[in-house]
Amino acid sequence: DVKVTQSSRYLVKRTGEKVFLECVQDMDHENMFWYRQDPGLGLRLIYFSYDVKMKEKGDIPEGYSVSREKKERFSLILESASTNQTSMYLCASSRQATNEKLFFGSGTQLSVL
Amino acid sequence: GDSVTQMEGPVTLSEEAFLTINCTYTATGYPSLFWYVQYPGEGLQLLLKATKADDKGSNKGFEATYRKETTSFHLEKGSVQVSDSAVYFCALSDSGGGADGLTFGKGTHLIIQP
Repeated sequence: DVKVTQSSRYLVKRTGEKVFLECVQDMDHENMFWYRQDPGLGLRLIYFSYDVKMKEKGDIPEGYSVSREKKERFSLILESASTNQTSMYLCASSRQATNEKLFFGSGTQLSVL
Repeated sequence: GDSVTQMEGPVTLSEEAFLTINCTYTATGYPSLFWYVQYPGEGLQLLLKATKADDKGSNKGFEATYRKETTSFHLEKGSVQVSDSAVYFCALSDSGGGADGLTFGKGTHLIIQP
């Protein structure tokens, strides 16, 4: 069964902490994505990557960075967590070909206190 | 830029009722259109898709038709079940769902009562 695995289901951090959210996919997909999901706002794209060591800004990249050192792993980094980054974070992956569907992880609910 | 508008929820229906969830879009090109579903505690999963005008996507009894003239992609099901309770997201991709991801609507929470 194909999988996108996010390392934590729930995470609680303090304001100002550096936070790492990890995502691993086992489908050899080229593309990987980080979204955040907020009530009333739906999903918003933070960053994406179409190859190892490549990254592109999405719609809301401010306050975030990413790392993709290996094809299967895509990390989201909050350099200095703030309370407005409390959210559900969803990782997804897809093949390079067009019209291919996204496979999502189960999400990480991050609370910044 | 691209955008997706879908009806606000929650939508509450009785089992075996007919379901329609409206979705309209704005895009500069000729997008591909998708419906994703999120069951409680899970990530999103693709429900159905359509890649060109007049295409009909279907899966698990759900259907949606790509209407270019009305820029719509409404989701329908003839007889809903309690197990259909979930959040439904309409989405589009101008690049065909490839490298730069999808634009999602805000989601519609569907509640089916027995």
